[in-house]
Amino acid sequence: DTAVSQTPKYLVTQMGNDKSIKCEQNLGHDTMYWYKQDSKKFLKIMFSYNNKELIINETVPNRFSPKSPDKAHLNLHINSLELGDSAVYFCASSQQGGSGNTIYFGEGSWLTVV
Amino acid sequence: KNEVEQSPQNLTAQEGEFITINCSYSVGISALHWLQQHPGGGIVSLFMLSSGKKKHGRLIATINIQEKHSSLHITASHPRDSAVYICAVLASGSRLTFGEGTQLTVNP
Repeated sequence: DTAVSQTPKYLVTQMGNDKSIKCEQNLGHDTMYWYKQDSKKFLKIMFSYNNKELIINETVPNRFSPKSPDKAHLNLHINSLELGDSAVYFCASSQQGGSGNTIYFGEGSWLTVV
Repeated sequence: KNEVEQSPQNLTAQEGEFITINCSYSVGISALHWLQQHPGGGIVSLFMLSSGKKKHGRLIATINIQEKHSSLHITASHPRDSAVYICAVLASGSRLTFGEGTQLTVNP
C-alpha cells in the first residue's frame, strides 16, 4: 500500500511537448505538494494545495499548472517543455499544512527533456 | 546564502563509526525535518523536531532553537546508512526550505 504514489516514474520527451505527472495519496491528508529536485540534488517547493485550494505558488513559469480534482490528488501539467525542465519531481503530502506533522514523499518522477 | 546550511557536504566513514551531520538555519522556524534520500531517489522522513531531542533506533536528532542549529547522529554506522541526508525547515505556512544535503558513504 503506497502512501503517496506518482506516475510516471520515468518520462523522456521532446522539447515543446506537453506532459502530465499524476500524484495520489491514500493517507487522508489535507495538504499536498510538488517539489523539484535539480541536477545538483537541491529540492525546492513549487506548489502546495490544502483541501484543493492553492496556498503556495513559488516563482514557477506559468507553463507549470497544478490541478487538484480532490484532496487525494494533485497532478502537475507542464506545457511547452524546455530542456531546463529536466529534473526529478516529487509529490508529497502532510496533514494540516505540515506544521508539526510528518511529510510523506512519493518515489519521484524523473523527467528528461531532449 | 541559503537559509539552511548543512555540513559537511560529503562524509565518508567506516562501518561502526559515530556520525554527525549538522544543520544551521537563519530564520525563525516552527519545525525542522531530517530526510533521507537513497540512491534510488525515494525520500523518507526520519524526524520532525520542534524542540529537544528524538531517537529512533540508531538515529538521534537534536535541535537548539536559540542557536538555530540541529544535528543528526548515527551510532554504529552501517553501509546501508549510505544515503543523502537533507535538513529542511518549516518557516512560514507550509513552505519547507531545504539544505543542500549531506552525501554519506559508509564503507564496510
